[in-house]
Amino acid sequence: GAVVSQHPSWVICKSGTSVKIECRSLDFQATTMFWYRQFPKQSLMLMATSNEGSKATYEQGVEKDKFLINHASLTLSTLTVTSAHPEDSSFYICSARVVDRPYEQYFGPGTRLTVT
Amino acid sequence: EDQVTQSPEALRLQEGESSSLNCSYTVSGLRGLFWYRQDPGKGPEFLFTLYSAGEEKEKERLKATLTKKESFLHITAPKPEDSATYLCAVQAGAASGSARQLTFGSGTQLTVLP
Repeated sequence: GAVVSQHPSWVICKSGTSVKIECRSLDFQATTMFWYRQFPKQSLMLMATSNEGSKATYEQGVEKDKFLINHASLTLSTLTVTSAHPEDSSFYICSARVVDRPYEQYFGPGTRLTVT
Repeated sequence: EDQVTQSPEALRLQEGESSSLNCSYTVSGLRGLFWYRQDPGKGPEFLFTLYSAGEEKEKERLKATLTKKESFLHITAPKPEDSATYLCAVQAGAASGSARQLTFGSGTQLTVLP
């Protein structure tokens, strides 16, 4: 139980284009999902907290107009990187909080984004 | 501000050589301390949640313990397949009673040599 999937697992795009990453909780409902970014050999950096049916809360320094987050249902959150640039290349990971177990989070397998 | 410090940054062990990883934390109102395993190019895999000092949990060759200031992840007779980065994270309670987001340590990169 508590499986989180991400799609795609990797994507290469050209500078200036937008990329959408999906995060799904497969066997549970998640009112809250989180988006992280991870650089090589570094730990996870929280980008934003996504609550179903409401606007995402972004961490300081994260551009909300560049990283658009939508949490339209209890099992799906999406992260859209708009007008991507090479510096946006990174490993993006989502996690989901189980509805009736608010102190547990389960992570997706991550999405490797490369912007050329 | 919640803080999590993991040590050592990297650890190389021979197969069968037991050791421990440390996670020191400073947090107001700890709601949970989490251990995750992360393999290269993958998302963190949940291992344990510890909620209160004195609690211990075991899974195969891994045992996690918790005190009021730190947590240890003990690895007994490790095998090469235990090689990974082990992440520690804490979660504090918010004033509203809900849970805040996880604060991660920088991880310990474990290599087990055959």
